[in-house]
Amino acid sequence: SQQGEEDPQALSIQEGENATMNCSYKTSINNLQWYRQNSGRGLVHLILIRSNEREKHSGRLRVTLDTSKKSSSLLITASRAADTASYFCATVIQGAQKLVFGQGTRLTINP
Amino acid sequence: DAGVIQSPRHEVTEMGQEVTLRCKPISGHDYLFWYRQTMMRGLELLIYFNNNVPIDDSGMPEDRFSAKMPNASFSTLKIQPSEPRDSAVYFCASSLAAGTGDNQPQHFGDGTRLSIL
Repeated sequence: SQQGEEDPQALSIQEGENATMNCSYKTSINNLQWYRQNSGRGLVHLILIRSNEREKHSGRLRVTLDTSKKSSSLLITASRAADTASYFCATVIQGAQKLVFGQGTRLTINP
Repeated sequence: DAGVIQSPRHEVTEMGQEVTLRCKPISGHDYLFWYRQTMMRGLELLIYFNNNVPIDDSGMPEDRFSAKMPNASFSTLKIQPSEPRDSAVYFCASSLAAGTGDNQPQHFGDGTRLSIL
């Protein structure tokens, strides 16, 4: 089964609004990463948050991590049409050396 | 800088044929990963290499799948014989480290869309 589970599976909002996506995981992790995938393209790394960090920012992106609840959230502020894509969380499990991806959230920004 | 390069971008072939997918990782990266993406199963790790050596092939579906990395700049994923259920998008990714202690991100190619008729 997938280590990461994103919620919601699909999200549609108006341009300029904020978009929040959530990710839950099952086992202890070293870090959690968020990736974006545009249609027909490969995944692009957005941001990495370590297990000892609680919040991280990168431009319009804000990621939080709650290891006690085994969950993370990705917030995109002031969304743009170009943000339309699928977003995946991926965890690096302690003791393992590979990423395990969730099923993704499909985000649509309506102009 | 050139990213991860995969070829071909699209492949359509009949079941039973041999399929070879190719990947050129980013120069200097010492980890290479092969993934498969389908609607039903999402993104699955098939196998990964460290310094050209296969480390974990537990995700390879069956003996029909094989992967090689003869040098630091080239890897292949082969399916022989191919079956319709192998239809998927296959991604190659590379990184400086596998993402544990070094916490490095992975860089993905644009994938090969494989259709087995």
